[in-house]
Amino acid sequence: DAGITQSPRYKITETGRQVTLMCHQTWSHSYMFWYRQDLGHGLRLIYYSAAADITDKGEVPDGYVVSRSKTENFPLTLESATRSQTSVYFCASGLAGADEQFFGPGTRLTVL
Amino acid sequence: SQKIEQNSEALNIQEGKTATLTCNYTNYSPAYLQWYRQDPGRGPVFLLLIRENEKEKRKERLKVTFDTTLKQSLFHITASQPADSATYLCALDTAGNMLTFGGGTRLMVKP
Repeated sequence: DAGITQSPRYKITETGRQVTLMCHQTWSHSYMFWYRQDLGHGLRLIYYSAAADITDKGEVPDGYVVSRSKTENFPLTLESATRSQTSVYFCASGLAGADEQFFGPGTRLTVL
Repeated sequence: SQKIEQNSEALNIQEGKTATLTCNYTNYSPAYLQWYRQDPGRGPVFLLLIRENEKEKRKERLKVTFDTTLKQSLFHITASQPADSATYLCALDTAGNMLTFGGGTRLMVKP
């Protein structure tokens, strides 16, 4: 199916565990983004990637790791999950960094 | 400090009226400003992009204005319908390759 998908849609994990959230897009967009959305903070950029093998920090990168070996995939890893990382995570893609962005359906992550 | 402010209180209007949402920003000089719609449990969906040299942009029942002097964008939905009920987010291009989002305003259109 064309579009942008995220998996899993829901995840419960424990403090200290490693978690990887997956993002896949079929448009061959150059740019991909990871945001988290929390009540009171809105959408905040974690990391973004301008192309395969090029990643850069956003507003709130601490505690997260990304990679982009293929244009279509942009996984986000929480190396040692903390309760403060409980959030809804959205992946997005676009032709340019500040251009129209296409968002995935989100992953609701709960860290116990 | 840099801020993007949208009214955090919900906007309640009657069906058929025009809804006007506000996005104010400080200490940014964006070249673009975008508006997105977000429904509960879903990702944001792009609606409109307006550039700094454009005063106004329209798309069907939607109209966006961009005043770089006032550092403000207004988002209008004319002839509003209950299906327009959602949260609306504004976003500015910052640091070249990134968008920074406002907190969003929830719109409720009552029949």
